Amino acid sequence: DTGVSQDPRHKITKRGQNVTFRCDPISEHNRLYWYRQTLGQGPEFLTYFQNEAQLEKSRLLSDRFSAERPKGSFSTLEIQRTEQGDSAMYLCASSYGPVVALHFGNGTRLTVT
Amino acid sequence: SQQGEEDPQALSIQEGENATMNCSYKTSINNLQWYRQNSGRGLVHLILIRSNEREKHSGRLRVTLDTSKKSSSLLITASRAADTASYFCATDGGTDKLIFGTGTRLQVFP
Repeated sequence: DTGVSQDPRHKITKRGQNVTFRCDPISEHNRLYWYRQTLGQGPEFLTYFQNEAQLEKSRLLSDRFSAERPKGSFSTLEIQRTEQGDSAMYLCASSYGPVVALHFGNGTRLTVT
Repeated sequence: SQQGEEDPQALSIQEGENATMNCSYKTSINNLQWYRQNSGRGLVHLILIRSNEREKHSGRLRVTLDTSKKSSSLLITASRAADTASYFCATDGGTDKLIFGTGTRLQVFP
């Protein structure tokens, strides 16, 4: 069990640019979740996958956000035309089955200037 | 949107004292979980309590759940400086995803 890994740890980008983050879950976990966390707040749900199928996407999530999980392994989260309000920590978590303990990565901190 | 509210928002205690954090939530649940987050890191799962359980222990942690009041508490006994972190409750709201509360920031002074 090597844990959930996220890459990069930090990303600084200019407004209007596209960014992509990667998450590698624990290998035997079939569920993968993306959350966003701003300073002083709890994680906010964005989307989740069971294997390669994206089962739910938050209604708060703009069309500029897209996530994939090809072949049910790693996942990518892309943000197009970034805005300053997208600055946050993006957390990935995985689990084997629904609503059991989630294993989190250390996140990708995005700063949009 | 966030399902739960933790209380207090911040808590400062001395090493050796007990720390109690409370969580209130809004909808029916299958289970409630508590997580810890050290600054700049991901969350670490601490304990899960199912809706038909009232109390659960794990080491120095004690969690209670009152579904009639839609509330839970986390007690950390004999706190250590290493317990300094933010603590979050999370509920499933009867769905397949966890919704997190706003967190309690705990500071334990040596």
